[in-house]
Amino acid sequence: EDQVTQSPEALRLQEGESSSLNCSYTVSGLRGLFWYRQDPGKGPEFLFTLYSAGEEKEKERLKATLTKKESFLHITAPKPEDSATYLCAVYHTGNQFYFGTGTSLTVIP
Amino acid sequence: ETGVTQSPTHLIKTRGQQVTLRCSSQSGHNTVSWYQQALGQGPQFIFQYYREEENGRGNFPPRFSGLQFPNYSSELNVNALELDDSALYLCASSLEPGGDQPQHFGDGTRLSIL
Repeated sequence: EDQVTQSPEALRLQEGESSSLNCSYTVSGLRGLFWYRQDPGKGPEFLFTLYSAGEEKEKERLKATLTKKESFLHITAPKPEDSATYLCAVYHTGNQFYFGTGTSLTVIP
Repeated sequence: ETGVTQSPTHLIKTRGQQVTLRCSSQSGHNTVSWYQQALGQGPQFIFQYYREEENGRGNFPPRFSGLQFPNYSSELNVNALELDDSALYLCASSLEPGGDQPQHFGDGTRLSIL
């Protein structure tokens, strides 16, 4: 069964304390993996798309990487404004998008 | 550049009723996807429309149906509402279908079923 699993479910970090979020997937025929940020009461905001193993993308304090079975979102020296839920989604050959349940990140000043 | 807009923002219905949710896609985007997001969960793919035709569907019953108009705006219709349909309904648009283009989301319609 196609599946996207994110871990941890929740993460609390001190400001400046770097960490990584994980997204593992079991879909066949992966055509793209997406990272989104979602603030309370808002729709998801696009961060990155990754297409092939070994690919990396960066934006400010965030860096996304992709292997054949999982993706990591690395957060370097986070700030309180990075607090949000981070969602991972995969798109595969069945024309379907699968989202994980997200990691809720809280950055404490 | 206008982003994705959805209406209404909140809606309260009772079981058995029907509801129509509306979405205006981002300028230049011809593809619209709809998602259901329950509290504390990730969005679940309902279906996608590309050039007024359904272009992929998730595991939702036929009482969930949609339309896309020539201006690429879209509607989601849900018949015979059930309590479990209470959720945030998200619309996302993209330049083209498939995984080659990112999807840009609206802020959703919060639907509550009593």
